[in-house]
Amino acid sequence: GESVGLHLPTLSVQEGDNSIINCAYSNSASDYFIWYKQESGKGPQFIIDIRSNMDKRQGQRVTVLLNKTVKHLSLQIAATQPGDSAVYFCAEKKGTGRRALTFGSGTRLQVQP
Amino acid sequence: EAQVTQNPRYLITVTGKKLTVTCSQNMNHEYMSWYRQDPGLGLRQIYYSMNVEVTDKGDVPEGYKVSRKEKRNFPLILESPSPNQTSLYFCASSPWDRKNTEAFFGQGTRLTVV
Repeated sequence: GESVGLHLPTLSVQEGDNSIINCAYSNSASDYFIWYKQESGKGPQFIIDIRSNMDKRQGQRVTVLLNKTVKHLSLQIAATQPGDSAVYFCAEKKGTGRRALTFGSGTRLQVQP
Repeated sequence: EAQVTQNPRYLITVTGKKLTVTCSQNMNHEYMSWYRQDPGLGLRQIYYSMNVEVTDKGDVPEGYKVSRKEKRNFPLILESPSPNQTSLYFCASSPWDRKNTEAFFGQGTRLTVV
């Protein structure tokens, strides 16, 4: 069935290092894959998305890679900062119906000073 | 400021006592939805609405009701809350656009049913 899952529940990195958060998906029919960030006590916030016909997309300090062969999605954060500490969710979007956004279970990123 | 506002932020109630969690957005978005967040399960959609008077079930609708009488408001109603509905709830809104992937979330409502 459809699922968007994450490899690791917690990732700990040193401040200044690069972070890589991974996600596996099973629904090849998704139109977009998206990353959301959820800080403590707040709702999820959009970071970046990638269309399913793309392999890579870059934003400010973040890069998303999509490997359709192995159905794998990753979020790379360059020069990780304390403010990057949060739970990161991958999500997929297919069309505009009820399953417009299907979320994975999340990875907690801890940035050590 | 563009925002989604939920109330209350925290709520403790007893089993069977009807409650309503309000959600309001000021971005004129057509699409609104409710999610619950539980440890290890991510966000699961409860109900969604594509526009005024148009609502439908999400993945976990049992025990919940919604209404969409106005475009800006999308309240979540628990007619007879039970302890398994203890969770963190989020309301979200977004434009009704196939290419739009950005949903705007409220701050969340932490509900405890005893």
